[in-house]
Amino acid sequence: EAAVTQSPRNKVAVTGGKVTLSCNQTNNHNNMYWYRQDTGHGLRLIHYSYGAGSTEKGDIPDGYKASRPSQENFSLILELATPSQTSVYFCASRQIISNERLFFGHGTKLSVL
Amino acid sequence: GQQVQQSPASLVLQEGENAELQCNFSTSLNSMQWFYQRPGGSLVSLFYNPSGTKHSGRLTSTTVIKERRSSLHISSSQTTDSGTYLCALGTNAYKVIFGKGTHLHVLP
Repeated sequence: EAAVTQSPRNKVAVTGGKVTLSCNQTNNHNNMYWYRQDTGHGLRLIHYSYGAGSTEKGDIPDGYKASRPSQENFSLILELATPSQTSVYFCASRQIISNERLFFGHGTKLSVL
Repeated sequence: GQQVQQSPASLVLQEGENAELQCNFSTSLNSMQWFYQRPGGSLVSLFYNPSGTKHSGRLTSTTVIKERRSSLHISSSQTTDSGTYLCALGTNAYKVIFGKGTHLHVLP
């Protein structure tokens, strides 16, 4: 079973501060994704990547940056965190060639005060 | 408009009843996956089913590409089936988008 690990599991940040959420996958998947989940909105795609060095905007990229320095790691960066970014963030990975299932991490609960 | 729509938004069943959850999509399908999530929990993959019918215990998933729909059937529901069911549509080789989910509550 593919392993996707997110850190931290919980984070409290102050408004205007910088927040970095990390994601690591050990299955050599090409694609990685960042979603946020909010009541009434479901899971919304923030950024995704199809390989090391690539980042693409999803449906709600404003206020977020992403970084994919290697095949294994994909980070989500909030340069100036705002209370509206309080949410649960999920990272996922997917191999597009042979098995196209999404595999998710356990999520990061972020509170911006 | 929303590319992936799930129905019903919520559903209450008596234990033992069956449920049919729907996922309709308005864009081309590259992949289809169903997930289960408990409140505050992570997402558990139930089916990867881009076409046809698949079975797993009391669960059945059917995807009909021409009709742009996928369904999840739960037979003989149990209280432990309570939670949120999400469908995820891969629109191309890279992008995957979700419906808002069906919130299921099974009463004892």
